[in-house]
Amino acid sequence: AQKVTQAQTEISVVEKEDVTLDCVYETRDTTYYLFWYKQPPSGELVFLIRRNSFDEQNEISGRYSWNFQKSTSSFNFTITASQVVDSAVYFCALSEEAGYSTLTFGKGTMLLVSP
Amino acid sequence: KAGVTQTPRYLIKTRGQQVTLSCSPISGHRSVSWYQQTPGQGLQFLFEYFSETQRNKGNFPGRFSGRQFSNSRSEMNVSTLELGDSALYLCASRPGGRSYEQYFGPGTRLTVT
Repeated sequence: AQKVTQAQTEISVVEKEDVTLDCVYETRDTTYYLFWYKQPPSGELVFLIRRNSFDEQNEISGRYSWNFQKSTSSFNFTITASQVVDSAVYFCALSEEAGYSTLTFGKGTMLLVSP
Repeated sequence: KAGVTQTPRYLIKTRGQQVTLSCSPISGHRSVSWYQQTPGQGLQFLFEYFSETQRNKGNFPGRFSGRQFSNSRSEMNVSTLELGDSALYLCASRPGGRSYEQYFGPGTRLTVT
């Protein structure tokens, strides 16, 4: 069965600090998809990124970067120079090839960025 | 393009009652999925509808059901409400086929008293 673990329940940082959110996944499929979503206090899940299991290239989008390592089954998310607006709950999720429409989520990491 | 909309945004019901939640997907999206979010269990998949057919179902009792209409709008129904059904119910849509990103609505906050 698939599983996503986000061991960090809550992280507090001061503005401009860099922060990394950890995500470890388990799956028996060789083809799978990994996602990160952001949930601000309003409740809506905002899509951030999707990664295919066959593409281990790291990705950078502005202050956001993602490190995908199949060898350690990890898909970590780094925010550089954090801002107060980054405060939210961040979810890592996994879908397998057969059930690609179904997301399995981690428990989420609450990020608090103080001024 | 307008995003995923859900109505109502907030709902208070009494144990034993039933409730219907509505979701309108992004225009052109044919797949609608429902998720339940609770503090204890986190985000859990309920079911997915595509072209009016249920394609996948999560591990929830039969009290939870849904349907999708020809315009892709979807409804979710919970009968005989229990206190444990209090949750944020999130709807997500995607175009269909091999498109993997799901776009979520703001959710319906259901409180069962």
